[in-house]
Amino acid sequence: GEDVEQSLFLSVREGDSSVINCTYTDSSSTYLYWYKQEPGAGLQLLTYIFSNMDMKQDQRLTVLLNKKDKHLSLRIADTQTGDSAIYFCARRGSSNTGKLIFGQGTTLQVKP
Amino acid sequence: DVKVTQSSRYLVKRTGEKVFLECVQDMDHENMFWYRQDPGLGLRLIYFSYDVKMKEKGDIPEGYSVSREKKERFSLILESASTNQTSMYLCASSLPGPGTGELFFGEGSRLTVL
Repeated sequence: GEDVEQSLFLSVREGDSSVINCTYTDSSSTYLYWYKQEPGAGLQLLTYIFSNMDMKQDQRLTVLLNKKDKHLSLRIADTQTGDSAIYFCARRGSSNTGKLIFGQGTTLQVKP
Repeated sequence: DVKVTQSSRYLVKRTGEKVFLECVQDMDHENMFWYRQDPGLGLRLIYFSYDVKMKEKGDIPEGYSVSREKKERFSLILESASTNQTSMYLCASSLPGPGTGELFFGEGSRLTVL
């Protein structure tokens, strides 16, 4: 299977919570990331978590890391139409080259 | 404000043409990357460079080459474009070392090969 995997599509109603899931295979990853790509734009870092953490919260965003299951999730509380975008999970490669390995991206559709 | 600038947002080329995609960053970053983005496949690494004149192959280097003559500039070259190279190309840069490793991305270059 792929190194980093995500489901391709998620649809929620405005005001609901969104949960985007990601699994990965390499347990040596030091940092794991969530990037957001709005239509017609490049990727922007949304948040990241270091591998020795289980959870990180930043305003409406909560990242959960389950190292045992190699599972990462991003929860967006009170989802707004402006949150509609593609969300990419990524992990840092095991070498020191700085390259990131990305998942397929999850398209989040927020319905009013 | 930090910036990665890709010279062309949209390009249309013919099969067999030579294509240059240019990327410039103003953050004095050592690392620079070229990814291609395709629906359902995510981002795949083509080439990266961790210093001037240094380059390493990524996961899908076939059909591409790169040039890094100056620290701020990283060019992707398609020697003879083919239709299967129609894609969105994203350039990124980062600092080296054990920090967070955040990649800063340009806005992308959408290439269509006819």
